Amino acid sequence: EIVMTQTPLSLSVTPGQPASISCKSSQSLVHTDGKTYFFWFLQKPGQSPELLISQVSNRFSGVPDRFSGSGSGTDFTLKISRVEAEDVGIYYCLQTKQVPPTFGQGTKVEI
Amino acid sequence: QLQLQESGPRLVKPSETLSLTCTVSGGSININDFFWGWVRQSPEKGLEWIGSVYFNGTSYNPSLKSRLTISADTSNNQVSLKLKSVTAADTALYYCVRFWRYWGRGMRVTVSS
Repeated sequence: EIVMTQTPLSLSVTPGQPASISCKSSQSLVHTDGKTYFFWFLQKPGQSPELLISQVSNRFSGVPDRFSGSGSGTDFTLKISRVEAEDVGIYYCLQTKQVPPTFGQGTKVEI
Repeated sequence: QLQLQESGPRLVKPSETLSLTCTVSGGSININDFFWGWVRQSPEKGLEWIGSVYFNGTSYNPSLKSRLTISADTSNNQVSLKLKSVTAADTALYYCVRFWRYWGRGMRVTVSS
């Protein structure tokens, strides 16, 4: 199965400052159909994971534009341009190129 | 707004079968257009995809496949999970998901005698 490795595992940020999380996959996530099956989620304290970004860089409806995703192949990055208090939680990356879909270990973001 | 609600026993004995039901409200289970299924979360394994059901069949995590059945009952708007021969390693928070947009609140299941 594809292994997803996130760094860092924890991040302490100051409100208004940027933050960045990296996710690396053990093999390319580019499918034969040309799409890259890679997602970012945020799990806020006590809540279910919520979808932030699909196919590397497509922000889901309602996700603030301070969140952006980039990357290709095996290396991906989530950036928050200016962290707000409501952004605390655990961020997960996910690949769905190959069964089974696999998640990263999570990056805990604290203020 | 689509809502997913997991239900079932919170405590299951080792070697028995874990059975969960996801009841969907605010919309219909449309397995022709969407994948439905289950994800679980534990401190040991993190988030783990269990399996899914679609109009053309099911897909299971190979690590669970021999013990697992996922099905959809479109007439009752429900998705079910059955995991046989459970052990303590199956203790987790189980989420029903309409992949990957809608998640239930999760149901904590403990395997213990």
